[in-house]
Amino acid sequence: KQEVTQIPAALSVPEGENLVLNCSFTDSAIYNLQWFRQDPGKGLTSLLLIQSSQREQTSGRLNASLDKSSGRSTLYIAASQPGDSATYLCAVRFGSSNTGKLIFGQGTTLQVKP
Amino acid sequence: EAGVAQSPRYKIIEKRQSVAFWCNPISGHATLYWYQQILGQGPKLLIQFQNNGVVDDSQLPKDRFSAERLKGVDSTLKIQPAKLEDSAVYLCASSLRRAGNAGGANVLTFGAGSRLTVL
Repeated sequence: KQEVTQIPAALSVPEGENLVLNCSFTDSAIYNLQWFRQDPGKGLTSLLLIQSSQREQTSGRLNASLDKSSGRSTLYIAASQPGDSATYLCAVRFGSSNTGKLIFGQGTTLQVKP
Repeated sequence: EAGVAQSPRYKIIEKRQSVAFWCNPISGHATLYWYQQILGQGPKLLIQFQNNGVVDDSQLPKDRFSAERLKGVDSTLKIQPAKLEDSAVYLCASSLRRAGNAGGANVLTFGAGSRLTVL
């Protein structure tokens, strides 16, 4: 069964800390992996997408890595700010094409304290 | 570029009543998705359309849920009759992927969601 797991479910850090969010998936045959941000009462905003042939992607203070062989991805947030407080969701598109089902993890809720 | 529009944003109904949600995807996006997100969980795919045809509805509870995509543009998701466990946010998303386009990332853009409370 294709599953995506995110640990921890919740994380609280002081402002300025660097932090890592974890995502693991059960099947290494993936097409791509995407990290989303979700603010309370809002939809999902795409942060980073990593194709299966890539090892990492960077956008500003965010860096996402992908290790297919171990079934893991991490989202690194540098110099965290209170505005980073949100739920972060990892989604994996399994299979060999861009039509595969996008399966989400349950998310990590991040709180950055000023 | 306008985003994915959804309505209503909030709906409260009693169990056994019916409800319908509407989604207008980004113009030109061929693929449309409906996801259900229960509080504290990640979104779960209910149904995926490619233009006006169904690609995947394996997780749609067909005894009570139905969805259609008229003319390959707008879509409606209906629940009848609603149960308590249907309380969730219903997210609509769209992507640019067209049939035959084997390449590309197929990035999804989500709407703000419709929050359903069943009492």
